[in-house]
Amino acid sequence: NAGVTQTPKFRILKIGQSMTLQCAQDMNHNYMYWYRQDPGMGLKLIYYSVGAGITDKGEVPNGYNVSRSTTEDFPLRLELAAPSQTSVYFCASSYPRGGKSETQYFGPGTRLLVL
Amino acid sequence: DAKTTQPTSMDCAEGRAANLPCNHSTISGNEYVYWYRQIHSQGPQYIIHGLKNNETNEMASLIITEDRKSSTLILPHATLRDTAVYYCIVRVARSGGSNYKLTFGKGTLLTVNP
Repeated sequence: NAGVTQTPKFRILKIGQSMTLQCAQDMNHNYMYWYRQDPGMGLKLIYYSVGAGITDKGEVPNGYNVSRSTTEDFPLRLELAAPSQTSVYFCASSYPRGGKSETQYFGPGTRLLVL
Repeated sequence: DAKTTQPTSMDCAEGRAANLPCNHSTISGNEYVYWYRQIHSQGPQYIIHGLKNNETNEMASLIITEDRKSSTLILPHATLRDTAVYYCIVRVARSGGSNYKLTFGKGTLLTVNP
């Protein structure tokens, strides 16, 4: 299994441009997440999904959109890039275990610089 | 989720055991203790988790005190590649609730020295 994959690894955007960060997992996980990590800080949840067709906001959803048309893919869309969105973006997935603990598996991240 | 307290940084000699402490004095009975680590510029990596019993896997051991108010992650033979930020996270088990996120604090920067 490749696990959680993310593309691109690095991108520079101009203010106002848009882009889609891609995330895919091949572990048949129902749950998927997008986090962002600013320099020297912990991760903050942007959006999450509990299954195909179901998404919900996390802590910092403003400026982002997501969709989940398949179990495998969970793209993150930035419509009007702003310098405040300069960050490292991590996608993660997990398998719900009906009330028991679960582990999230993370991708390698996408570094985004908005100038 | 219960708040955790970890030292900001620790050093360890290569080949020695690294013992990383975590305080979680407000932990509830249905909350698990998770440990993740993040090597520079990489995504977080799951290490181990436990509820109340001590746990061991191929990466580490987790010792949870009897009152569950603190825990220690043990890397038995630290290598240079273990240099990373280690996060202790306390999280309720998913029982139809809405708390899906992992709350990452600032963690402990473990530096393994040659």
